[in-house]
Amino acid sequence: AQSVAQPEDQVNVAEGNPLTVKCTYSVSGNPYLFWYVQYPNRGLQFLLKYITGDNLVKGSYGFEAEFNKSQTSFHLKKPSALVSDSALYFCAVRDMDTGRRALTFGSGTRLQVQP
Amino acid sequence: DAGVIQSPRHEVTEMGQEVTLRCKPISGHNSLFWYRQTMMRGLELLIYFNNNVPIDDSGMPEDRFSAKMPNASFSTLKIQPSEPRDSAVYFCASSLELAVKKSYNEQFFGPGTRLTVL
Repeated sequence: AQSVAQPEDQVNVAEGNPLTVKCTYSVSGNPYLFWYVQYPNRGLQFLLKYITGDNLVKGSYGFEAEFNKSQTSFHLKKPSALVSDSALYFCAVRDMDTGRRALTFGSGTRLQVQP
Repeated sequence: DAGVIQSPRHEVTEMGQEVTLRCKPISGHNSLFWYRQTMMRGLELLIYFNNNVPIDDSGMPEDRFSAKMPNASFSTLKIQPSEPRDSAVYFCASSLELAVKKSYNEQFFGPGTRLTVL
């Protein structure tokens, strides 16, 4: 079975400061990992993904994420937060080595960026 | 491209009524997913289709829920009869899945249908 944990329900950061949203995963094989963002009353928007290769993945809106296999983590980061980054962030995983193509999502982390 | 289209955006109905949610995936995508989002349970996969064929419906809560995909450009999720505990936001997503197992593209989500069952 595959699972995702987002240990923080909410992350607060001041505008201009770096931000980190944490994610750890569990799969039996090799992982595909994703980050999505959800703004109020909207669907989820894709931010970035890790499939293979470089452990540091760059995505939309200046976000990046670092894959750490030994710690089974895929934390989302941004060097300088914007108020407009305030939203709900979801980490998701899929086991690369199974035939199941659906994603398993974490519970979400609400990011609040204060001006 | 208009993205994934869902209708209606909001639905309010009374317990016992039939509800049909609709989804039009992105043209050219061959996989379609139905998710449900609630505060208590987060984002749950209900069912997904590949090339119009249901592949995994293990997330469908019970027999009151059914989903169809009669062609590549349309899918429905039906709840009959509806119950208050079905109140949630239902998302449809689509992606392009290649035949090779180790290739995977991201899913694109629709805006969701907010269902309220009174």
